[in-house]
Amino acid sequence: GAGVSQSPSNKVTEKGKDVELRCDPISGHTALYWYRQSLGQGLEFLIYFQGNSAPDKSGLPSDRFSAERTGGSVSTLTIQRTQQEDSAVYLCASSLVWGGATTDTQYFGPGTRLTVL
Amino acid sequence: GESVGLHLPTLSVQEGDNSIINCAYSNSASDYFIWYKQESGKGPQFIIDIRSNMDKRQGQRVTVLLNKTVKHLSLQIAATQPGDSAVYFCAENYPSGATNKLIFGTGTLLAVQP
Repeated sequence: GAGVSQSPSNKVTEKGKDVELRCDPISGHTALYWYRQSLGQGLEFLIYFQGNSAPDKSGLPSDRFSAERTGGSVSTLTIQRTQQEDSAVYLCASSLVWGGATTDTQYFGPGTRLTVL
Repeated sequence: GESVGLHLPTLSVQEGDNSIINCAYSNSASDYFIWYKQESGKGPQFIIDIRSNMDKRQGQRVTVLLNKTVKHLSLQIAATQPGDSAVYFCAENYPSGATNKLIFGTGTLLAVQP
C-alpha cells in the first residue's frame, strides 16, 4: 500500500518568504507528526495531530511556524518569514492509533528539504 | 560558517560481521522503543520495536535488547551487508498525557566495509 508522501521533495526559498509543506499520511492513520532534522542531527519534534483532538504544538520553535490538518488527513506545515536557520529536512510521520493504545509505530515520509537563501 | 559533514558516532564493520549499535535512553517511565534506519536522502524506516514488558525481540537478521535497569537499548544486526550502511536511530515513547510523542536519539552511522 501507499506510504506517507510529502511534497515538494525540495524547496529553495529566499529569506523572508513564506513556505508551505504538504504531508499525505497513510490512509486510515489517525495520528500525524511533523519533525525537523538539521544536517547530521536527530529528529526534533514539532507538532502532533490525533483525530479531532487539539494538536500538541509544544515543539514549534516560534510563532512563525504553524500547521493544520484538514479533514483528518492531509496536513500542511507553514513557515512564515523564513530565516536561514529554518533550513533543514522536514519529516512527516503517521501512525495508526486505536482503542486505548497510546503508543504505535510511526511511519515516515521521505521528507522535504528546505533551503533558505 | 556552517560545519560540513556528520558529527555522529560511527561504527565501522566488515561485511559479514555482526554489528551492535547501542543507545542510552532518558526516561525510566518510557514504555515503548523503536529502532529506525535512515539512508541518505530518505526518511527514517522502521526496523523493529520492543515494549517495556519485554527484554528481547528478534526479527529477520535483527535483534533488539532492552535493559531497563540501566536504561539501555541495543540493536544487533547479524551478517552485516553493505545495504545495512545507514544512520540508525533509537526512539523512546515517554507517556505524557494523551500525546504519543517519540524522543529520538542522535543516531549512529553504520559503515559496512566490503
